Amino acid sequence: SAVISQKPSRDICQRGTSLTIQCQVDSQVTMMFWYRQQPGQSLTLIATANQGSEATYESGFVIDKFPISRPNLTFSTLTVSNMSPEDSSIYLCSVDFSGKDTQYFGPGTRLTVL
Amino acid sequence: GQQLNQSPQSMFIQEGEDVSMNCTSSSIFNTWLWYKQDPGEGPVLLIALYKAGELTSNGRLTAQFGITRKDSFLNISASIPSDVGIYFCAGRSNFGNEKLTFGTGTRLTIIP
Repeated sequence: SAVISQKPSRDICQRGTSLTIQCQVDSQVTMMFWYRQQPGQSLTLIATANQGSEATYESGFVIDKFPISRPNLTFSTLTVSNMSPEDSSIYLCSVDFSGKDTQYFGPGTRLTVL
Repeated sequence: GQQLNQSPQSMFIQEGEDVSMNCTSSSIFNTWLWYKQDPGEGPVLLIALYKAGELTSNGRLTAQFGITRKDSFLNISASIPSDVGIYFCAGRSNFGNEKLTFGTGTRLTIIP
């Protein structure tokens, strides 16, 4: 498995502002994913972060709202832009090691928007 | 799109009891993963299944990949307080994409 860290672990933000969440992995990984987990719900994939190219977004999620960077094989960021209370969720980074067909999750970032 | 139905939605059991939960899909998966999520934490991978009919154990946990490829089961024997949490199944079809589809979750509570 891998050690996956996320920063910040939690934050309380005002509506209209933006927050950038960082995900760091202790080894190189091919695929990184960003998920959202709304209160009491399951996990929903936001996008797949591709190293060296633009992220691939799922239906209902757009780059203007959730810009993603993937500058190298161990790091990615997700920005939640122009936040509203509906963005209050846990945001989770996940990695998939090439050839292992398993997926591991970071500890999550708990975001509250007032 | 694909959906995963997980049941039961919640369980209230006494310590020492065995637990069974399952996940069913409307379509075929080639990989099944089971996760546990504690409050305030990310999901932790418990068991991975890669072949229809496969039965895999991890301590007191046993999971099976259904032979139809459309379902999976997780059993926990002799439950203990630290088993409390939410259990998620997840499936991957590997038909042209690498995305996981997550189940709706089973919340396990142990009654003192």
